[in-house]
Amino acid sequence: EDQVTQSPEALRLQEGESSSLNCSYTVSGLRGLFWYRQDPGKGPEFLFTLYSAGEEKEKERLKATLTKKESFLHITAPKPEDSATYLCAVLNYGGSQGNLIFGKGTKLSVKP
Amino acid sequence: NAGVTQTPKFQVLKTGQSMTLQCAQDMNHNSMYWYRQDPGMGLRLIYYSASEGTTDKGEVPNGYNVSRLNKREFSLRLESAAPSQTSVYFCASSVRVNTEAFFGQGTRLTVV
Repeated sequence: EDQVTQSPEALRLQEGESSSLNCSYTVSGLRGLFWYRQDPGKGPEFLFTLYSAGEEKEKERLKATLTKKESFLHITAPKPEDSATYLCAVLNYGGSQGNLIFGKGTKLSVKP
Repeated sequence: NAGVTQTPKFQVLKTGQSMTLQCAQDMNHNSMYWYRQDPGMGLRLIYYSASEGTTDKGEVPNGYNVSRLNKREFSLRLESAAPSQTSVYFCASSVRVNTEAFFGQGTRLTVV
C-alpha cells in the first residue's frame, strides 16, 4: 500500500535553532514529491517540487532534499513566522492520475 | 490577485440537506481539484478535473458530485449530507494535472 509518513508530528524550536522535518514514502514509483506549508484556517501554500533522488531546492530559510526513500525539509535559523504545519505529498506512477498522497503533516512552532 | 476563491467559508447543514460548494480560479489553470481535510488524516482527493469537460473520481468520491462549469469554475455538490461529511473542504487548481497545486482558503462544513 502506498504510504507517506511525516515525522515528528510536532516540533517546537527556539528562534535560530535549526532542525529538519522528515517525509518517508513507500510508493510503487515516485513521479514527484511536493512540500506545502499550511497556516491555521488557511489552505496549503506550495513550497517545492522534487522529482529525483539527489535533487535539492531552497527558498529563504528552507531547503528540501530527496533520496530514494525520504525527503527532508531543513529549516535554518527559523523565525516565529515559520510556525505552521508542513505537509508532504507524493505522486506515484502506480496511482491514479491527479491523486497526490498527503502525509498528516508536521506542526512546527518557533518561539522567540 | 485572487487565485482560488471558495464560497461559502462556513456552513452548517442538517442531515439530509443538500448544498453546493463553489470554486473559481483566475490563473487560467487547466486542472482543478476538490479535497477534504479531517483531523488526524492527510488531505484526501474527492474528485478532480484534468481539463475543461472532464471529471474523474479521486480517493473518496462517495456522496459527492462535481461539475466543471467552465475553465474557471468547479463545483462540489452534496446531495444528501451526512455527519461523516463534516470536514474542511479545499478546492485547488494547477496548470495541468500532477503539477503543483494552488489551494483556496477552504470551506468548513458541519453536518448535524
